[in-house]
Amino acid sequence: GESVGLHLPTLSVQEGDNSIINCAYSNSASDYFIWYKQESGKGPQFIIDIRSNMDKRQGQRVTVLLNKTVKHLSLQIAATQPGDSAVYFCAENGPNQAGTALIFGKGTTLSVSS
Amino acid sequence: DGGITQSPKYLFRKEGQNVTLSCEQNLNHDAMYWYRQDPGQGLRLIYYSQIVNDFQKGDIAEGYSVSREKKESFPLTVTSAQKNPTAFYLCATSFGNNYGYTFGSGTRLTVV
Repeated sequence: GESVGLHLPTLSVQEGDNSIINCAYSNSASDYFIWYKQESGKGPQFIIDIRSNMDKRQGQRVTVLLNKTVKHLSLQIAATQPGDSAVYFCAENGPNQAGTALIFGKGTTLSVSS
Repeated sequence: DGGITQSPKYLFRKEGQNVTLSCEQNLNHDAMYWYRQDPGQGLRLIYYSQIVNDFQKGDIAEGYSVSREKKESFPLTVTSAQKNPTAFYLCATSFGNNYGYTFGSGTRLTVV
């Protein structure tokens, strides 16, 4: 199923604030999750991923949290910068069967003001 | 981007015309995917291919066709049967379903 729920289509923050983007997934069989960033007119870029045997993973200025109990995924961006302005998508691998593809959420547009 | 080349970047199609979008990769990835993105919308899967000479329909395959004759190439043809083809088309590759995708820079198709 497509990621729905707890979804805010837009998020506006001030430069320097921490941002939290939420995503809910509907397929309990999903065991791999990814966050992508898409700037206007470009293809999505990989930010960070997490597998279901973890509940937290940190990258550079980003942290992904996974709550399997409520099927919720979040992306935290520390000290948000204007260059972080983009659309952010979560993705899940679904039933994890051969011959399937990632399922993408609807996306959240992050706007960072100076 | 990152070893995936989509061409052309912009494409204009007349009514009733078939057009082909190119996607070439040098990442040695087995799997390739085509997604359609409409303004302000998420990604919808058109077709995907896990191995050479094999491909499967995605959620919105009607009006589209693909081929996978080489590992490096996965062209998408938008046929005249696709009544609303104006969109941003994204090609992606991966090692498989449990790995992240690498996306190309996209082709913007407009019907004139």
